[in-house]
Order: sequence, then C-alpha cells, then structure tokens
Amino acid sequence: GDSVTQMEGPVTLSEEAFLTINCTYTATGYPSLFWYVQYPGEGLQLLLKATKADDKGSNKGFEATYRKETTSFHLEKGSVQVSDSAVYFCALSAPNNAGNMLTFGGGTRLMVKP
Amino acid sequence: KAGVTQTPRYLIKTRGQQVTLSCSPISGHRSVSWYQQTPGQGLQFLFEYFSETQRNKGNFPGRFSGRQFSNSRSEMNVSTLELGDSALYLCASSQGIGEKLFFGSGTQLSVL
Repeated sequence: GDSVTQMEGPVTLSEEAFLTINCTYTATGYPSLFWYVQYPGEGLQLLLKATKADDKGSNKGFEATYRKETTSFHLEKGSVQVSDSAVYFCALSAPNNAGNMLTFGGGTRLMVKP
Repeated sequence: KAGVTQTPRYLIKTRGQQVTLSCSPISGHRSVSWYQQTPGQGLQFLFEYFSETQRNKGNFPGRFSGRQFSNSRSEMNVSTLELGDSALYLCASSQGIGEKLFFGSGTQLSVL
C-alpha cells in the first residue's frame, strides 16, 4: 500500500539556519504530495503542495520539489525563525483516490532556538 | 468565516463505554474526513463523508463508525472503548474532492 517516510525528529536549529526535512514516498502511479504543519494545540494546516513531477510547492519561505525519480518531496527553508517551531507532516493523496484521503508520514518536530 | 469546529475539546471515558464526537465543517463544505492521531501510530485515516455518503474508509475495526447529516455536520462514534483508543481525533473539511483540507483543533480522548 501507499506509505510516506520522513526523517525522525526532533530537529533542533538556531534561528536563521537552513532547514531540510526529508520525505520519501511509496505509491502506485503519481500521487499528489503535501506538507502540513501542526502548531501546539492546533489542528493541521496545509503548508504547500505539488500535484505532478518536477512541480515546486512554496509558501512562507518553505519550498519542496516533487522528484519522481527519487520518490521524494523534501521540505526546505533558507532561514528558519523561532515561530517555525512546530511538527511538520509529509502526506500523499493517491491518484486513484475517490475522495480526499491522505496518507501521512510520522511527523518531524522542529525546534528553533533564538 | 468560522473554521472547523470540533466538540468536545477533551473527553475522558472508561473502558467499555462508548463515545460520540462532533464536527461542524466550514460553511459550504460538503466533505468531512476523520483522522486518529497517536504518538505511536501517527495520523491514520478513519473515514470520509461527502454529501452524507461514506466515500472512503480506513483500516479500523467496526467499533469505529461515523455519519454525516444533511447540513454536512458529522459525528463519529466509538463503541466498547479500549485503552488504545486514547488519541487526538481530528476532523477536516473541504468544499469537494481534491480541494484543500481545513482541519479542526481536534478532540483529545482519554480512555481509562
């Protein structure tokens, strides 16, 4: 079945450091790929998405590129802020999905220190 | 526009009891999905409803059930609670299939 694997955390960085959170997937066909963020005590928020190979999703300084050849969708940000501290989830939606069902990775906690 | 509202925010039950959780989607949204979030298993899909019809169902036992009403509000029910059902239950709504999902803050269920 479909699955998403992302690097385990926590990831601890100093403010203004470069961020990479790795995400790889296994799926039949070409799924849509997403990054969601969860702040403490809140639900998930869509951060960015990509729906086909070589697409780059971007939002709030975060970027991720859909790499079909490596089945990856790594999240990057050039300069993190304390306010970016949260849990980040990589997810996919299968191409044969009749609805909005998402398969999530295990989540990566990011902690940014001033 | 109000976001996705889940009630109650916290719930404590004992083993063997049953529980009903409620989700009010964003106005105009017809699709409602439910997810279970635990530290060990992460986020797992429970089921999805669109216009009162179940579209997808995850790999959970029959003790987990749900429904959607004509106003798009949804409820999920868990019968004969087990300790392992302790989790954060998240609801998400969207306007339709393939549209952006908006998540509620969840209901934290503790089974003692």
